[in-house]
Amino acid sequence: AQKVTQAQTEISVVEKEDVTLDCVYETRDTTYYLFWYKQPPSGELVFLIRRNSFDEQNEISGRYSWNFQKSTSSFNFTITASQVVDSAVYFCALSERNSGYALNFGKGTSLLVTP
Amino acid sequence: EAGVAQSPRYKIIEKRQSVAFWCNPISGHATLYWYQQILGQGPKLLIQFQNNGVVDDSQLPKDRFSAERLKGVDSTLKIQPAKLEDSAVYLCASSAAGGVSGLSSYEQYFGPGTRLTVT
Repeated sequence: AQKVTQAQTEISVVEKEDVTLDCVYETRDTTYYLFWYKQPPSGELVFLIRRNSFDEQNEISGRYSWNFQKSTSSFNFTITASQVVDSAVYFCALSERNSGYALNFGKGTSLLVTP
Repeated sequence: EAGVAQSPRYKIIEKRQSVAFWCNPISGHATLYWYQQILGQGPKLLIQFQNNGVVDDSQLPKDRFSAERLKGVDSTLKIQPAKLEDSAVYLCASSAAGGVSGLSSYEQYFGPGTRLTVT
């Protein structure tokens, strides 16, 4: 069963629009981490954020913000005032203590920002 | 600090041939992971090492894939014989987990990957 679901396969927005990427996860572990990675066309995986299961505080970093809600098992990612350089595939991932903290990735959301 | 190194970056082989990939993790990182990323999908864990021991290889197709991490440092992943469906990017990642304690020790750092094309 898919442990991380990213229901949006592709999103296309015009520059300066806000966009939210959804992530829903499934776990029985009480200790886990959630991640977002960016994969630009060049292919490398770029770490964006890590949250642990005991910290539900939302986080803002520049134009990026993350909303973690354990009640709905969601960890959504919002880009404010999107830019062309934000075009990439974004992956949400779950890391569980019972699985040796290996990353379990979603299928990714391809974001295209056009001028 | 040097990142995770992988070689080769690209490899093209014919089906039924064998191939090997090499990974050198960040110095001092105890845990090493190999992931397979098929085009259009998220990376999938193949095998996880802590030092030179295997933690999880449940998703490694052991009839054709093998991996080792001698001396608990660098690692090789081998495919023999390759199939068309093995065409993918093979990513290596490392973390300090199992060595230095602390929350940040579970953060994984990825190498640039090896793109394998099987024809």
